[in-house]
Amino acid sequence: NAGVTQTPKFQVLKTGQSMTLQCAQDMNHEYMSWYRQDPGMGLRLIHYSVGAGITDQGEVPNGYNVSRSTTEDFPLRLLSAAPSQTSVYFCASSYSGSFVNEQFFGPGTRLTVL
Amino acid sequence: DQQVKQNSPSLSVQEGRISILNCDYTNSMFDYFLWYKKYPAEGPTFLISISSIKDKNEDGRFTVFLNKSAKHLSLHIVPSQPGDSAVYFCAASTYRISSGSARQLTFGSGTQLTVLP
Repeated sequence: NAGVTQTPKFQVLKTGQSMTLQCAQDMNHEYMSWYRQDPGMGLRLIHYSVGAGITDQGEVPNGYNVSRSTTEDFPLRLLSAAPSQTSVYFCASSYSGSFVNEQFFGPGTRLTVL
Repeated sequence: DQQVKQNSPSLSVQEGRISILNCDYTNSMFDYFLWYKKYPAEGPTFLISISSIKDKNEDGRFTVFLNKSAKHLSLHIVPSQPGDSAVYFCAASTYRISSGSARQLTFGSGTQLTVLP
């Protein structure tokens, strides 16, 4: 049981490049989400999914796309990277999005956009 | 505007003493509150939670207090241990109106706790 895994751990992009941050969980969780952590800002929700085929926007969705074709995977796509997207990105999952329950976080991806 | 605020970016305490971490919120729709702990280069891990219908919840050395009238919660760690040194995030939960049945967490900016041996 690996929990929530994220790849890559580190990434450097140039402005305008695109990339996909991978997230997978093996706990059969319905709910998955992406957060970004910036200094002095805490974690802010980017996008989330309550199940395969269902996604919705969080607090800071602009510049990011998501899709959820399987229960296990929830990739985050940056279509045209900007320096403002330099951040640490965390993927999280939980049993259900409808009830308050513990969210399990991945180890994070540190992204730098030059 | 930050709906969940942790006004102390850092806190240092001596081993064996009490650590008190504070959190304030502004949205009265929050009905569940959680504390997460984060070590460097790792993701946050759940620590303890409290429902808005309670004013206290204990789990071993960790106790969370909720004062709804003041929109304030605090995390007490007694006794503090060097392994408790980490960043502590306060988070508050509510249903997001546009999302139907999905709940969302709003996080504070975190407090770096350092427990000195």
